[in-house]
Amino acid sequence: QVQLQESGPGLVKPSETLSLTCTVSASSINLFYWSWIRQSPGKGLEWIGYIYSNGSTKYNPSLESRVTISVDTSAKKFSLKLKSMTAADTAVYYCARGSTWYDFWGQGTLVTVS
Amino acid sequence: SSELTQPPSVSVAPGETARITCGGKTFGSRSVHWYQQRPGQAPVLVIYYDTARPSWIPERFSGSNSGNTATLTISRVEAGDEADYYCQVLTMFGGGTRLTVL
Repeated sequence: QVQLQESGPGLVKPSETLSLTCTVSASSINLFYWSWIRQSPGKGLEWIGYIYSNGSTKYNPSLESRVTISVDTSAKKFSLKLKSMTAADTAVYYCARGSTWYDFWGQGTLVTVS
Repeated sequence: SSELTQPPSVSVAPGETARITCGGKTFGSRSVHWYQQRPGQAPVLVIYYDTARPSWIPERFSGSNSGNTATLTISRVEAGDEADYYCQVLTMFGGGTRLTVL
């Protein structure tokens, strides 16, 4: 079974940059798309962006100016950087496999901006 | 607000059939995907490409898409089906529907 695991700080100060990493196991990272999705407390799901294993990316237009997603295929990891964090960015951040639909998800990591 | 419209809640008795709808102006030929999210857990894909079911999802779950409305149908509802259900089209998610099993 494909497994994804997010890692990174649970607390970020306003104006700082969030850095999260997703480690992939039991799946090749090559030839797949990998996404970041977030969910604000008590709210719905918001797509942040995705990256293909060759490094090509697509971002949510509402976040594009602040987001960078990168991939390290040798380490089977992909990462999210979100700069200029504000309280509105407080959410559970999920990594997932796919771009059209998402068939495997990480357990999610709560990031609080305070 | 989401451009995909879902009812906030649906309630059904055990053994009955639950139908959760997802409406949007942008469906056209786009496919709809559905996720189940139990409290405190990550979403789980239950239907993709309108009607396809991952191997780990029971046959009780089915999907349809006609016009501008897609429907997730859960037959013979069980207590364990109680969760939030989200539809997805392209990069948009619906606002979610809370399924309550009475």
